[in-house]
Amino acid sequence: QKEVEQDPGPLSVPEGAIVSLNCTYSNSAFQYFMWYRQYSRKGPELLMYTYSSGNKEDGRFTAQVDKSSKYISLFIRDSQPSDSATYLCAMSDTGGFKTIFGAGTRLFVKA
Amino acid sequence: EAGVTQFPSHSVIEKGQTVTLRCDPISGHDNLYWYRRVMGKEIKFLLHFVKESKQDESGMPNNRFLAERTGGTYSTLKVQPAELEDSGVYFCASSQSGGLRGQYFGPGTRLTVT
Repeated sequence: QKEVEQDPGPLSVPEGAIVSLNCTYSNSAFQYFMWYRQYSRKGPELLMYTYSSGNKEDGRFTAQVDKSSKYISLFIRDSQPSDSATYLCAMSDTGGFKTIFGAGTRLFVKA
Repeated sequence: EAGVTQFPSHSVIEKGQTVTLRCDPISGHDNLYWYRRVMGKEIKFLLHFVKESKQDESGMPNNRFLAERTGGTYSTLKVQPAELEDSGVYFCASSQSGGLRGQYFGPGTRLTVT
């Protein structure tokens, strides 16, 4: 069993839709949770980071962590074609050093 | 502020040859990481430097891989001799304070071993 499970998609939505991306994990020691966005042929770009459980909002993006269910989510409101990318969840059980990644979900936002 | 840079962007070598990848982290970042993504798989951690010291090299696949970070600045990752299964994208990342603020990734080096 993988430590982090993420549906690879692809996920296709119309412009303006609310997008929900999710990951589950098995290691209860994970404390730091991150979402990265990766465009084709580029490196991952940090979008959001959270520590332990709770919600965090940044503009159109909201990250949620439910440690009791070992489940994290990223919501994108008012999705735009420029949001089309691969979204990677990532997590760590230390000071955020060794990071474990999900497989990434490919998102397509249609104009 | 310049981001993490990696060189080369793409390398094609034959099985048995040696390749050296270079990473220049963001200035002032003491933590430097190497990751790789092989075809169809997740990005996997290889190792972590704090300044010039290897803090965690638990992800290094075998002794054909050697990472160094001279003077705590740039880092190199050497693969010698390269095997077909080493093909993939090698990412370098750096951070100042560890996971609390996430890691900043370079564009990656695409390695193809033929």
